[in-house]
Amino acid sequence: GEDVEQSLFLSVREGDSSVINCTYTDSSSTYLYWYKQEPGAGLQLLTYIFSNMDMKQDQRLTVLLNKKDKHLSLRIADTQTGDSAIYFCAESDSSYKLIFGSGTRLLVRP
Amino acid sequence: SAVISQKPSRDICQRGTSLTIQCQVDSQVTMMFWYRQQPGQSLTLIATANQGSEATYESGFVIDKFPISRPNLTFSTLTVSNLSPEDSSIYLCSVEDEGLTQYFGPGTRLTVL
Repeated sequence: GEDVEQSLFLSVREGDSSVINCTYTDSSSTYLYWYKQEPGAGLQLLTYIFSNMDMKQDQRLTVLLNKKDKHLSLRIADTQTGDSAIYFCAESDSSYKLIFGSGTRLLVRP
Repeated sequence: SAVISQKPSRDICQRGTSLTIQCQVDSQVTMMFWYRQQPGQSLTLIATANQGSEATYESGFVIDKFPISRPNLTFSTLTVSNLSPEDSSIYLCSVEDEGLTQYFGPGTRLTVL
């Protein structure tokens, strides 16, 4: 079945760049997403990318997609303490069902 | 993007009781979904709430345990029945937007004693 995997934890210093990685197995994935979950809150959609794209940039966020290797990454430039949260990668085919990774906890140290 | 609210935001319930969670959207949407997030875990889709018809449940989830209503295009409820401590989770609703993305509500944190 479909599977999405992420590393569990990432720690960076304030001002550095963060790179969160994700791999998926479903070759029919059409859309890939990054969501952010702050403590005690719901999920906030950060960005998404279509499978026919290889890069998308939105202010401090850069998403890279390597479809051949089924690898997705989220780069956060100039990471701030407010970026500390859990980041979920998710994929879907055209059936609207989202398959989520286990989440990466990002800790930004002052 | 749609604005989604959920009630209650959190609750503590006794074993054997039920909890009904409401999800309200500020615009009409075709697709609404219910997810469960167990402590320290990722999100798992429970069911798709269809307006005017029965919900579509994912493997491992059944209507008797998780009855869902979808009376109109802006509202849905999820009931978690016959509660046990294993049901302690965050329950989130989401809505599909133009076939591209899903937006999530703030979640309902359920603790079962």
